[in-house]
This record gives sequence, C-alpha cells and structure tokens, in this order.
Amino acid sequence: DVKVTQSSRYLVKRTGEKVFLECVQDMDHENMFWYRQDPGLGLRLIYFSYDVKMKEKGDIPEGYSVSREKKERFSLILESASTNQTSMYLCASSGTGYRQPQHFGDGTRLSIL
Amino acid sequence: GESVGLHLPTLSVQEGDNSIINCAYSNSASDYFIWYKQESGKGPQFIIDIRSNMDKRQGQRVTVLLNKTVKHLSLQIAATQPGDSAVYFCAETFSGNTPLVFGKGTRLSVIA
Repeated sequence: DVKVTQSSRYLVKRTGEKVFLECVQDMDHENMFWYRQDPGLGLRLIYFSYDVKMKEKGDIPEGYSVSREKKERFSLILESASTNQTSMYLCASSGTGYRQPQHFGDGTRLSIL
Repeated sequence: GESVGLHLPTLSVQEGDNSIINCAYSNSASDYFIWYKQESGKGPQFIIDIRSNMDKRQGQRVTVLLNKTVKHLSLQIAATQPGDSAVYFCAETFSGNTPLVFGKGTRLSVIA
C-alpha cells in the first residue's frame, strides 16, 4: 500500500512565524501535491511538483512556497503565517503517467494564533 | 474554470440498503474520474476510478457508473454498513498529469 506520511497531525503556531509542513511518500512517486481543506470550500490545490526541484503553482499559492529536494519529500512553507492560513493541510502523491490516482496523507491541522 | 460538483450534500441511508452518491462534471474533455472516501480525522482514501472509455466499473461492494452523454458520475455502495459513513468526493482530470479537480463532497450517514 502507498504510504504518505505527514510529519504532524496537529500544529499550533503564531502569526508571523515561518512554518514548515513536511510530507514523505514511500512509493517512489514522481508527483506530489499540497492541498488545504476548509469547510464549504473543499480541497484547494496550493502547489504541486512533478519532479525533484520542480514546482508548479496551484489555485491558491499566495502566502506559501514549497521545496522538493528529494523525490520522496515535499515540504510546504508558510513564509509568514497569518490567521487565515488556519486550515487542514493535505499532502498527496501519485505515480507518473496518465490516469494515476493520488494517494493522501492523514493531514496536518494547523492553527495560527 | 471547469469544476466538479455534487447533486446532494448529505445522504442518510439505512444499514443494509444500497447507497447512490452522484456527481456532475462540467468539462466534456474530462477522461479520468476517481471517487474518494474521507473519514473523520483522516485524509481522503482512494476507492475506485474509471476511465472515459468505460461506462461501468466494479470493485468490492462499490460500482462506479459514468454517463458521458449527460456528464454524470455515480458511486453505488451495496449493503451499506456503518463503516461506510464518511464524506465522499469525486474528482476529475482531463489531460496527462493535469491536477485533479475535486467536488465539494457528499456526507453519507448510515443509520443502524
């Protein structure tokens, strides 16, 4: 089974802090994704990556950056956390090629105070 | 832009009955569809997928039906169990590695 592991289940940070969310997958997947999930808004794509050191903006990249130095690891960075970034963050990965399902981690519930 | 939507936001079903969760999509170019299940406190879990060259695919207790004429997707769960209670999402994509577009989700509640 695909395993996508997010480093923290719950995280509390303060406004203005730099926040790192880590995600690791063990299936040698090329593609990795970061979403946030908010009630009534569903899953919204923040950033994704199709290869090491590559990144693409999703639908809501503002206030975020990402890092993909190794194939198995994809980090989401909140440069200066704000209260409107309080959310559930979900990481996913998928294999290369057409029509590959994404597999998700269990999420990090981030609260910015 | 194109998006995936759902007809019903909530669905209550008696244990043992069959459940049908519906999804409408607006992009006629979409050619790959996935259903996910999300239980409370967990990430979305892959259930079943279907390609546009098929109109039906079956898994264990689940069946996905695709009607390209009316751009409609459904997930049927046979003999619904309490463990099926969750939010169900459909998702679509339409070219190569284009990221999935997710619907808002339908909450399935199983009544014992």
